[in-house]
Amino acid sequence: EDQVTQSPEALRLQEGESSSLNCSYTVSGLRGLFWYRQDPGKGPEFLFTLYSAGEEKEKERLKATLTKKESFLHITAPKPEDSATYLCAVQAGETSGSRLTFGEGTQLTVNP
Amino acid sequence: KAGVTQTPRYLIKTRGQQVTLSCSPISGHRSVSWYQQTPGQGLQFLFEYFSETQRNKGNFPGRFSGRQFSNSRSEMNVSTLELGDSALYLCASSRRGTGYSGANVLTFGAGSRLTVL
Repeated sequence: EDQVTQSPEALRLQEGESSSLNCSYTVSGLRGLFWYRQDPGKGPEFLFTLYSAGEEKEKERLKATLTKKESFLHITAPKPEDSATYLCAVQAGETSGSRLTFGEGTQLTVNP
Repeated sequence: KAGVTQTPRYLIKTRGQQVTLSCSPISGHRSVSWYQQTPGQGLQFLFEYFSETQRNKGNFPGRFSGRQFSNSRSEMNVSTLELGDSALYLCASSRRGTGYSGANVLTFGAGSRLTVL
């Protein structure tokens, strides 16, 4: 069974204080690892897809990296508008279709 | 380009009732998936539909059902509601469905917030 564990559960940063969120996964046949951002009262918003170990992707202040067992979401010089819950999810197996297995998420708060 | 549209956004029901939620996917997307989100369990997969057929199903009781229409719009139904069914129900659409060997990006709607009293 696919498993995804995110840490920490919650993180408070000062504006400009860089940090990293962790996503550990156990899957059979990884097809993709996804990062989503979710704001209160809204659905998850797609950020990145990573396909294989060693891959990195960047978008503004966010950078996602992938190893064979975990992924990191690095946040550089965060701003208050980066406050949200960040969700990690995996898609695995040949017959799972679009099925995503999600972690519990990391709730990020950036104080001005 | 319109996103994934879910209706209703909020609803309140009592135990024992049933509820139907609707989802209109992004134009051109043929796969629709449903997820339940609760504070204790996080996001959990309910089922996926592609070309009007259920392709995958999560570990939920038979009270949870769904269908997809020829225009790719989807509905999910929960019968005999229980207090524990209170949750945010999220619909997601994607271009590809079962059989695609690559990573399939899902676009989520804003969700339907169900409260069971």
